[in-house]
Amino acid sequence: DVKVTQSSRYLVKRTGEKVFLECVQDMDHENMFWYRQDPGLGLRLIYFSYDVKMKEKGDIPEGYSVSREKKERFSLILESASTNQTSMYLCASRVYPQPQHFGDGTRLSIL
Amino acid sequence: KQEVTQIPAALSVPEGENLVLNCSFTDSAIYNLQWFRQDPGKGLTSLLLIQSSQREQTSGRLNASLDKSSGRSTLYIAASQPGDSATYLCAGQMNRDDKIIFGKGTRLHILP
Repeated sequence: DVKVTQSSRYLVKRTGEKVFLECVQDMDHENMFWYRQDPGLGLRLIYFSYDVKMKEKGDIPEGYSVSREKKERFSLILESASTNQTSMYLCASRVYPQPQHFGDGTRLSIL
Repeated sequence: KQEVTQIPAALSVPEGENLVLNCSFTDSAIYNLQWFRQDPGKGLTSLLLIQSSQREQTSGRLNASLDKSSGRSTLYIAASQPGDSATYLCAGQMNRDDKIIFGKGTRLHILP
């Protein structure tokens, strides 16, 4: 069974800090994704990656960057955290044509 | 631009009843459509994936249909149980390498 692991379930950081959210998958999937989920707005795609060292912007990349140095790991970076980045962050991985597999999410609070 | 809509946003149904969740999409040239389940504070779990060439998929008590011409998909849950209480999201993809577009979900509550 595919396992997507996000490093933290809950995280509290301060405005202006650089924040790293880590995601690891154990099934050698090429595609990995970062979403944020907010009440009333649903899931929105931040960044995705089709392979190592490749990245593509999603719908809301502003204020975020990503890193994919190894196939199994996809990191989301908040360069300078702001309060409007308080959200639930979800990582997913996929190998076509199977559906995406999601991690349990990281609930991030920026104070 | 593809949009995916789920109405209603919330639904309460007595235990044991059969129920249907609705999903509509604006572009009939959809590549595939998926249904996910999300429990509170958790990630999404894939339930069913329907390719554009298919009309339905079944898994246990769940049956999902796809009608591209009308821009609709339904998720049928038979003999509902309290454990079915969750948020159900549908998501459409326009081609293999395209991003997935999610609806905002229907929050389902099965009344014991």
